Amino acid sequence: NAGVTQTPKFRILKIGQSMTLQCTQDMNHNYMYWYRQDPGMGLKLIYYSVGAGITDKGEVPNGYNVSRSTTEDFPLRLELAAPSQTSVYFCASSYGRTGPVATNEKLFFGSGTQLSVL
Amino acid sequence: QQPVQSPQAVILREGEDAVINCSSSKALYSVHWYRQKHGEAPVFLMILLKGGEQKGHDKISASFNEKKQQSSLYLTASQLSYSGTYFCGTQKLGGKLIFGQGTELSVKP
Repeated sequence: NAGVTQTPKFRILKIGQSMTLQCTQDMNHNYMYWYRQDPGMGLKLIYYSVGAGITDKGEVPNGYNVSRSTTEDFPLRLELAAPSQTSVYFCASSYGRTGPVATNEKLFFGSGTQLSVL
Repeated sequence: QQPVQSPQAVILREGEDAVINCSSSKALYSVHWYRQKHGEAPVFLMILLKGGEQKGHDKISASFNEKKQQSSLYLTASQLSYSGTYFCGTQKLGGKLIFGQGTELSVKP
């Protein structure tokens, strides 16, 4: 199994350009997440999804958009890239269940995308 | 809303013990612990669900005090391989997982 796959691994953008970071998982997880990590800092949640067609904002959503049309894929779109978006981006997935037998399970992370905006 | 970790950094000699704490102001359903080596993705250590159960594997264990909304990670007889940044993550039911700012652990020979 591939787990969580992110592409590209590295990218340099010019200010004002747009791009999509791809994330796909083959574990049939319902929850997916996008985090950014600035140098020497912690992980900040950008957006997350609890299932196909359902997305919600995290801590730092401004300047980003997401969609979740399938269980497997959760692309992150950067519109009008800015230097402040220079960061390492991690996609992750997990299994979760609400209701009488609620559970949260561990996150599986992709290997990350290093993005520089110059 | 972000959980607060303490200490921010700790330096140990091989064989020494350490405790990393994680506090939240919000009611929690679960607490996650991850370790990240430089230039790599975070790796799962353990998850504690509401109920206060202590979990562990090898010489790393953790507890979750639901009443105080606190979790602690215990590293005993530390090894060089324990070096890295430790993150706690707090999660309510419904998916949103927020991480603390991290605790950098260095184990020296």
